[in-house]
Amino acid sequence: DQQVKQNSPSLSVQEGRISILNCDYTNSMFDYFLWYKKYPAEGPTFLISISSIKDKNEDGRFTVFLNKSAKHLSLHIVPSQPGDSAVYFCAASANSYDKIIFGKGTRLHILP
Amino acid sequence: DAGVIQSPRHEVTEMGQEVTLRCKPISGHDYLFWYRQTMMRGLELLIYFNNNVPIDDSGMPEDRFSAKMPNASFSTLKIQPSEPRDSAVYFCASSSRETLNTGELFFGEGSRLTVL
Repeated sequence: DQQVKQNSPSLSVQEGRISILNCDYTNSMFDYFLWYKKYPAEGPTFLISISSIKDKNEDGRFTVFLNKSAKHLSLHIVPSQPGDSAVYFCAASANSYDKIIFGKGTRLHILP
Repeated sequence: DAGVIQSPRHEVTEMGQEVTLRCKPISGHDYLFWYRQTMMRGLELLIYFNNNVPIDDSGMPEDRFSAKMPNASFSTLKIQPSEPRDSAVYFCASSSRETLNTGELFFGEGSRLTVL
């Protein structure tokens, strides 16, 4: 039973354009949401997070949007760069010190 | 800091053999997590510890899996006996109360296990 769902296994985007990665969740108790990035042969690394009291959080080229009523969040990368090619994991937790549940990941390819 | 250190990086073994994966968390971190990554299920949480005490092991697949944290700087994940379906990349991650407050886990590079 996947509580965090990333329905797109892969996404290809032209360099310089916007990349939008989507994530849905089922557990209404989740109140903290995160995105992690993973390169091949490396562990995932933290990218950006958002609390449920907000609907947007921005960090440089990365912005996460949260729609609680739809139980949906998205990660926007603008502009997309070749180094952004990686697997992106959406994750969520029910409180700050609870276990963090990850989705299956979306592989992003940035095309030259 | 060297980051989270996992060993071995790669392990190939035969079905029925015992497998032990090791993890050294970042010094000062009091939370330690074991995750497993597969194509089918993505990143699954197996177990996590706080101050060396297992807090939630509900993700451990079955009795063949066990994890220990004898001290703050070392943890093991053991599979006995191993089966081909255990083939996956196993990640260890650590965090402090402060970094966990923002959801940040620090992952090792993973141990890729292949059971033939």
